Amino acid sequence: NAGVTQTPKFQVLKTGQSMTLQCAQDMNHNSMYWYRQDPGMGLRLIYYSASEGTTDKGEVPNGYNVSRLNKREFSLRLESAAPSQTSVYFCASSERDRAGNQPQHFGDGTRLSIL
Amino acid sequence: RKEVEQDPGPFNVPEGATVAFNCTYSNSASQSFFWYRQDCRKEPKLLMSVYSSGNEDGRFTAQLNRASQYISLLIRDSKLSDSATYLCVVNGGKLIFGQGTELSVKP
Repeated sequence: NAGVTQTPKFQVLKTGQSMTLQCAQDMNHNSMYWYRQDPGMGLRLIYYSASEGTTDKGEVPNGYNVSRLNKREFSLRLESAAPSQTSVYFCASSERDRAGNQPQHFGDGTRLSIL
Repeated sequence: RKEVEQDPGPFNVPEGATVAFNCTYSNSASQSFFWYRQDCRKEPKLLMSVYSSGNEDGRFTAQLNRASQYISLLIRDSKLSDSATYLCVVNGGKLIFGQGTELSVKP
C-alpha cells in the first residue's frame, strides 16, 4: 500500500536550474496538494488541485508551477531555482470522509537544497 | 494574529506523565479540525480528527471549544514513542497548519 509517493527524496540544485518534483497517489483521491516546510514556519500551501483538471494557488505560489497530469499525479516545477526555495517539500492527497472531513495523507517529502 | 497558533514547546515530560497541548484559531467559520503527528524529518501523519463532542482514541483525547476557538490534545500515560511534534490543523475553507508543539518524553 504505497499511498503517496514522491520523487526524488533528495536533490541539490544550483541557482537558476530548473526541476520537477513528482507526486503520485494510489488512493483514488480527488484532491492533491503541494506544501513546503521551513524551520519555524510550519507547513505552507504552495498549490493545490481540488480535482483532475483544476489547479489553484495556495499561500506561497511564486516561483512555482504545477501540473495535474491525471487523477493520480500532481507535479511541482521550479523554473529557475533560488536559494529561498531551499526547503522540504511535501505532497499530499485527500478525499472527503463520511464525517465530511478531508484529512490529508502525505508523501515522505523531498529535501531540496539550492546553492 | 496567526490563523492557527500553538505553543512551540518543547514539552519535556517523564514517561507516564499526562501532557496537554492547546491550539487557538482565528477563523470562526472553521469547520473541521485535526491533530497530526510529525516525527523528526518525516512526513506529517494524521493522529486524529477532532469532533465537536470531543473524541478519544486510546491514550489520546481531543476536544474542541468553538466558543473560545481552541482545540486541545491530551496524552495520558506518555510513552517514549510519543516523542514527536504535534501539529494542529484547522480547515476554514483551506487547511491551515500550526507550527507544531514539540514533545520529548524522557525515561
